[in-house]
Amino acid sequence: EPEVTQTPSHQVTQMGQEVILRCVPISNHLYFYWYRQILGQKVEFLVSFYNNEISEKSEIFDDQFSVERPDGSNFTLKIRSTKLEDSAMYFCASTFSGPSAPDTQYFGPGTRLTVL
Amino acid sequence: AQSVTQLGSHVSVSEGALVLLRCNYSSSVPPYLFWYVQYPNQGLQLLLKYTSAATLVKGINGFEAEFKKSETSFHLTKPSAHMSDAAEYFCAARGGFKTIFGAGTRLFVKA
Repeated sequence: EPEVTQTPSHQVTQMGQEVILRCVPISNHLYFYWYRQILGQKVEFLVSFYNNEISEKSEIFDDQFSVERPDGSNFTLKIRSTKLEDSAMYFCASTFSGPSAPDTQYFGPGTRLTVL
Repeated sequence: AQSVTQLGSHVSVSEGALVLLRCNYSSSVPPYLFWYVQYPNQGLQLLLKYTSAATLVKGINGFEAEFKKSETSFHLTKPSAHMSDAAEYFCAARGGFKTIFGAGTRLFVKA
């Protein structure tokens, strides 16, 4: 069964450093998403991406965050200057169809980001 | 605005007993509803989804959920709990591009 993959599985960084989290969505999917889960809390939507542009973003997704699809397979989340409160598990997800269809979002295994 | 409420952050059942995890959604239009399971240090795995085709939805691992519009509920059940069901369960509603998750219910299964 096709799956979403994410690298690295665990990233440790110093406060103020830039990090890039990488995802490879399912190959024929067109819509891509990032979510985060702070330890012990609920999963929160960050951003959705379609046709090389952001389609929706949450209030969490401020100017420190950016997303990119640099090539035909990767989907990245960049945090420009990490803060302690950015420590969380970050999940990538993808779907074939957009919001008008009840498409299942397939989630990757996550990247645990630890900011020291 | 859409919201998802899961009643009970922790539920404990005995092996072989009925599992009932509660979920209520708030939306002017019934959204697409999902239940996900998360095992420790793992990602989110889809258990089942409601897409308006049928109000009783069967999923993997013997789980099922019933959509009740009058109660705005989408409770998850399993007739007989197994030790391997111990995990965190998230109810979620999809509206627009984003999926809104409930706070999660941790299921404990006692031998």
